[in-house]
Amino acid sequence: DTAVSQTPKYLVTQMGNDKSIKCEQNLGHDTMYWYKQDSKKFLKIMFSYNNKELIINETVPNRFSPKSPDKAHLNLHINSLELGDSAVYFCASSQGLAGGPLETQYFGPGTRLLVL
Amino acid sequence: SQQGEEDPQALSIQEGENATMNCSYKTSINNLQWYRQNSGRGLVHLILIRSNEREKHSGRLRVTLDTSKKSSSLLITASRAADTASYFCASDYSSASKIIFGSGTRLSIRP
Repeated sequence: DTAVSQTPKYLVTQMGNDKSIKCEQNLGHDTMYWYKQDSKKFLKIMFSYNNKELIINETVPNRFSPKSPDKAHLNLHINSLELGDSAVYFCASSQGLAGGPLETQYFGPGTRLLVL
Repeated sequence: SQQGEEDPQALSIQEGENATMNCSYKTSINNLQWYRQNSGRGLVHLILIRSNEREKHSGRLRVTLDTSKKSSSLLITASRAADTASYFCASDYSSASKIIFGSGTRLSIRP
């Protein structure tokens, strides 16, 4: 029943490792997003995809690589994890693009990443 | 930075009182949204107000928008313990197809 789901919910790993976070939405939305929320609760967009096409790629280290196998899934792979990558990562989806008429975003529960 | 700013950063009120949070943004927008985030959870959409609207209501929520001042406010009337959460405004930048979230207001409702 979950509209936007993410796995895993918690991820604890060592510096230098490679890890992936998966996101799936069953809302039939065309657009999906990855956000990073830091310890001060600032929520910053990282990527967005519309119908599997990359729309937004903010200033994010190229260690972060999103992949959208279909419009219901947007995964995030992180190479060579660093201490500063520790944060909560949220996936979200919306029917349309931001600024359009169907832009309300639906968020997943978040993945809490801790890099040691 | 394009991030909006919210004021206050934290607010603690007695149950039953009204809570007002403010948000300022930096460039022209098409619409502005408010979201709520309970501790340890994702954000939940509350209300959207378009740039040609000045006020909008949804249940105990009232949102205003002043485009001349580039600001919005969220009023929660007759607060309840369940309203304890962080509240974020999000302004859209249609030319960039993204929304920018404010820094959030942490609201605590005392029983």
